[in-house]
Amino acid sequence: DVKVTQSSRYLVKRTGEKVFLECVQDMDHENMFWYRQDPGLGLRLIYFSYDVKMKEKGDIPEGYSVSREKKERFSLILESASTNQTSMYLCASSSNNKILAGVLETQYFGPGTRLLVL
Amino acid sequence: AQKVTQAQTEISVVEKEDVTLDCVYETRDTTYYLFWYKQPPSGELVFLIRRNSFDEQNEISGRYSWNFQKSTSSFNFTITASQVVDSAVYFCALSEASGGSNYKLTFGKGTLLTVNP
Repeated sequence: DVKVTQSSRYLVKRTGEKVFLECVQDMDHENMFWYRQDPGLGLRLIYFSYDVKMKEKGDIPEGYSVSREKKERFSLILESASTNQTSMYLCASSSNNKILAGVLETQYFGPGTRLLVL
Repeated sequence: AQKVTQAQTEISVVEKEDVTLDCVYETRDTTYYLFWYKQPPSGELVFLIRRNSFDEQNEISGRYSWNFQKSTSSFNFTITASQVVDSAVYFCALSEASGGSNYKLTFGKGTLLTVNP
């Protein structure tokens, strides 16, 4: 089974703090993703990475950065947390095994981190 | 641009009723993938099904069934004889397989299903 874990289920931070959200997957997946989920807005992609040290912006990258130094780990960084970053953050991973054959592999999600910024 | 619409924000049913969750999508690609995920109160998104655009066969898995119709750009999800454990938010998602965006999943806003005893 695919296992995606996130460092915290719940996190409370203060405005202006630097926040690190960690995600680890154990399936040797090439692709990793960070989403945020807000009521009425569904899931929105923040950043994704298709290889170590590689990253691409998603739909809402402003206020966030990411780091992927190892294949299994993908970190989301809030350089200076703000109250509008209070949200549920979900990490996902997927394989590129069949990408050359034009087959998109399924994304598997972690349990999520509920972040509250006061 | 790809788009997914789940018009039903919330649905409430009584146990054992059948319920259908609607999903309508927009894409310019001829090759694309459609997904359904379940998010129970615990928060983790659970993968349910994946379909590619060339496979219009309907699928049944236990009490779950999916109806994919390209003619109406719909990928609807039916739960037969619903149970309380089916209560969750259900997301439909789309990914195009070309144009360099083949990693990107676009989600609908989700449908909250409540199954009452």
